[in-house]
Amino acid sequence: DIQMTQSPSSVSASVGDRVTITCRASQGISIWLAWYQQKPGKAPKFLIYGASSLQSGVPSRFSGSGSGTDFTLTISSLRPEDFATYYCQQANSFPYTFGQGTTLEIK
Amino acid sequence: EVQLLESGGGLVQPGGSLRLSCAASGFTFSSYGMSWVRLAPGKGLEWVSGIRGSGGSTFYADSVKGRFTISRDNSKNTVYLQMNSLRAEDTAVYYCAKDRGTTVTYFEDWGQGTQVTVSS
Repeated sequence: DIQMTQSPSSVSASVGDRVTITCRASQGISIWLAWYQQKPGKAPKFLIYGASSLQSGVPSRFSGSGSGTDFTLTISSLRPEDFATYYCQQANSFPYTFGQGTTLEIK
Repeated sequence: EVQLLESGGGLVQPGGSLRLSCAASGFTFSSYGMSWVRLAPGKGLEWVSGIRGSGGSTFYADSVKGRFTISRDNSKNTVYLQMNSLRAEDTAVYYCAKDRGTTVTYFEDWGQGTQVTVSS
C-alpha cells in the first residue's frame, strides 16, 4: 500500500498569512493526488484534484502543486473560515490512502 | 444539487453486522463511482470501499476486505455497505462519497455521515 505522510501535523497561523502543507507519497503517484478540508463535525470538502486542479467553487487562494512523490497545498492569504484540518489522498492505486491530516489553527 | 443521505448506523456488539445505505439525488447516479470513507475518533480519514458506476468493479481497504461488501442499486439510486464481523476498531463516522466520474478516484461530494459504534 502507498503511505501518505503530511507535514506538519499541525500549524498555527494568523489571518492573512501564507501557509504551505506538504504531502509525501511512499512511491510515485504521478499527479493522482487530491486535497480535502474538514471542519469538526462536518463532512470533508473537496478542494483540489490532479495535484493542481482547483475544484469548481473553491477560492483561488488555494493552490496545489507537485508530482511523483512530493506535493504541496498552499493557502495564499488565510481567511477565518480556512482554519480546519487538511488531508491529502492518493488515487494512483488501490487501496486509496489519505495522509494523517494537518490541523491549521489560529495563532 | 447533489444530495447524499446515509442511514443504517448505530450501536452493535463486536462480531455483529450492520448495513449502511446511502440514498443519492441530484445527479445521474449510474454515471458515477461511489465510495465509503470513515473517520474514527482521534484518527484521520480512511477510505473503506468503492464501486464503479456500473457496479461491475468493487474495491476495498485491506482492513475491511473479506468482512465488508459494497453494492449499489442503480434503479434505486442507492449504494450500500454490508458490514460483517464488526470490531471495535470499526467504530467511526461513515461517509458516503460521490466520485468525479464513472470510476473511483476522487471524492467530489459527501454525505453528512452516519455513526457506527461497535461495543459490548
